Amino acid sequence: QKEVEQDPGPLSVPEGAIVSLNCTYSNSAFQYFMWYRQYSRKGPELLMYTYSSGNKEDGRFTAQVDKSSKYISLFIRDSQPSDSATYLCAMSAGAGKSTFGDGTTLTVKP
Amino acid sequence: EPEVTQTPSHQVTQMGQEVILRCVPISNHLYFYWYRQILGQKVEFLVSFYNNEISEKSEIFDDQFSVERPDGSNFTLKIRSTKLEDSAMYFCASRTGTGGTDTQYFGPGTRLTVL
Repeated sequence: QKEVEQDPGPLSVPEGAIVSLNCTYSNSAFQYFMWYRQYSRKGPELLMYTYSSGNKEDGRFTAQVDKSSKYISLFIRDSQPSDSATYLCAMSAGAGKSTFGDGTTLTVKP
Repeated sequence: EPEVTQTPSHQVTQMGQEVILRCVPISNHLYFYWYRQILGQKVEFLVSFYNNEISEKSEIFDDQFSVERPDGSNFTLKIRSTKLEDSAMYFCASRTGTGGTDTQYFGPGTRLTVL
């Protein structure tokens, strides 16, 4: 079993749709939960960061962490064509390594 | 806004040659990392570095790899004898470790092509 499983996609939605991206994990030691956006052949760009459980909102983006279910989500409201990218979930137990999901490629069509 | 920088952006080398990939982490960060991403695959952890020593390394980080922080600003990854399978994007990351948004910020990457 992989430590981090990410919904594989690809995902294609019309502009303005609400997008839900999801990851599950098996390691109970994970406390830091991140979502990165990655464009082709570029570095991961930090979008959202959550410590422990709960919700966090930043503009059109909402990150949710449910540690009891070992499940995290990223919601994108009013999706735009510029949101088209690969989204990576990542998790860490502390200051150590981050473990990444495989990524979900999102296309938002005008 | 401070950012992690990496040089070169693209490195082409012959199999068996040594390469050094360079990174300048964010200035007040204490933890440094290297990851790699083979084309079409996930981001994989290589090594973490704290207080001038390796704190953790993966199975990928074998004897042909080494890291160094030669001065107060640079962090390097050396591959002694490159193999075809070392072709990948290599990302440097840094983390403050002292509160605030205590997570890893990534550089833009170096694309390594081994011929």
